Amino acid sequence: QKEVEQDPGPLSVPEGAIVSLNCTYSNSAFQYFMWYRQYSRKGPELLMYTYSSGNKEDGRFTAQVDKSSKYISLFIRDSQPSDSATYLCAMGRGGSNYKLTFGKGTLLTVNP
Amino acid sequence: GAVVSQHPSWVICKSGTSVKIECRSLDFQATTMFWYRQFPKQSLMLMATSNEGSKATYEQGVEKDKFLINHASLTLSTLTVTSAHPEDSSFYICSAPMSGATDTQYFGPGTRLTVL
Repeated sequence: QKEVEQDPGPLSVPEGAIVSLNCTYSNSAFQYFMWYRQYSRKGPELLMYTYSSGNKEDGRFTAQVDKSSKYISLFIRDSQPSDSATYLCAMGRGGSNYKLTFGKGTLLTVNP
Repeated sequence: GAVVSQHPSWVICKSGTSVKIECRSLDFQATTMFWYRQFPKQSLMLMATSNEGSKATYEQGVEKDKFLINHASLTLSTLTVTSAHPEDSSFYICSAPMSGATDTQYFGPGTRLTVL
């Protein structure tokens, strides 16, 4: 079993839809969780990060973490064509260990 | 947010030559930087951890003599792909955490290497 599982998609939605992206993980040592957005041929861009279970909201984006179920989600409200990208979940152990473990990424297309 | 730059953004080279890629943290110091490789439609694969003032730490299966890493200063790490071959063609991305502040990492824009 991989440490982090993410459905690669692709996921195609109409403009304005609510998008739900998810990852599961198996290692309870992960303490912090991030979502990155990566446009084609570009480096990943940090969208959200969180340390605790619960929800964190930033504009149209909401990150949700359920440590008991080892499940994280990213919700995008009022999706826009400019949101079309690959979304990567990432997890880390914290402390002096900066290494991140990434999901495979989900390719999202928002159609106008 | 923090900015990490990479140079060059793309490079084409002949098989057997060496290619150097630079990674710089522009507005913060990074004692640690990471080098990733990403093949098309694949996720990021960590290659090595670059440490300022000490040797790099390589992930299992990554040849340290082929991928030379030098963390020259608190703002610069370089990755040299030696004797490059077509199978080394990939997207190379570096990242740096903001030391002491958060556990988040900021990524460079990536370098696309094509070996002919």
